[in-house]
Amino acid sequence: DGGITQSPKYLFRKEGQNVTLSCEQNLNHDAMYWYRQDPGQGLRLIYYSQIVNDFQKGDIAEGYSVSREKKESFPLTVTSAQKNPTAFYLCASARTSRQDEQYFGPGTRLTVT
Amino acid sequence: RKEVEQDPGPFNVPEGATVAFNCTYSNSASQSFFWYRQDCRKEPKLLMSVYSSGNEDGRFTAQLNRASQYISLLIRDSKLSDSATYLCVVNGGGGFKTIFGAGTRLFVKA
Repeated sequence: DGGITQSPKYLFRKEGQNVTLSCEQNLNHDAMYWYRQDPGQGLRLIYYSQIVNDFQKGDIAEGYSVSREKKESFPLTVTSAQKNPTAFYLCASARTSRQDEQYFGPGTRLTVT
Repeated sequence: RKEVEQDPGPFNVPEGATVAFNCTYSNSASQSFFWYRQDCRKEPKLLMSVYSSGNEDGRFTAQLNRASQYISLLIRDSKLSDSATYLCVVNGGGGFKTIFGAGTRLFVKA
């Protein structure tokens, strides 16, 4: 089955630790995205990538980093510099970054204490 | 003004009712439009694309009005399973730009 996978589903970390969230897609999509969603809020774009080895900051990139070494993979690292890291993180992909609809993975719920 | 605005609701309707959601967008150069559905603590899922000519999928109808810069979603004969948050999404408009609305919450009651 084609789709997007994110792991783990739930993640708990202590403050001050970096943590990396996994996102993999086998849809052969060029574009991939990371969003953050806080309770009762809309999606906010963290980073996006239109093609391998290239990525751009979204609206709230501070405290996060990404890489896009393979078309299928777009991991997100939440660093200790992110002041409020507890949130629901969603990865998405699209055939291209222009007009195509995005498809989402099941998300990772990160709790930092 | 927000780039994409939706009435947050919640909309509380009985089963069988018809309910309509509107969404306005600010960038007149926007090129593609979608409605997504998001269940509680789940990922958003594509419900339907929205075209100028309008499109229908079963009980769901989506319309785009470019002149007034709004899109709408009509749900007929509401089911309990339609209870969710509906997100309006606007794409394009000069380079990469995808904007998600904050969502409209719908509760369908028996």
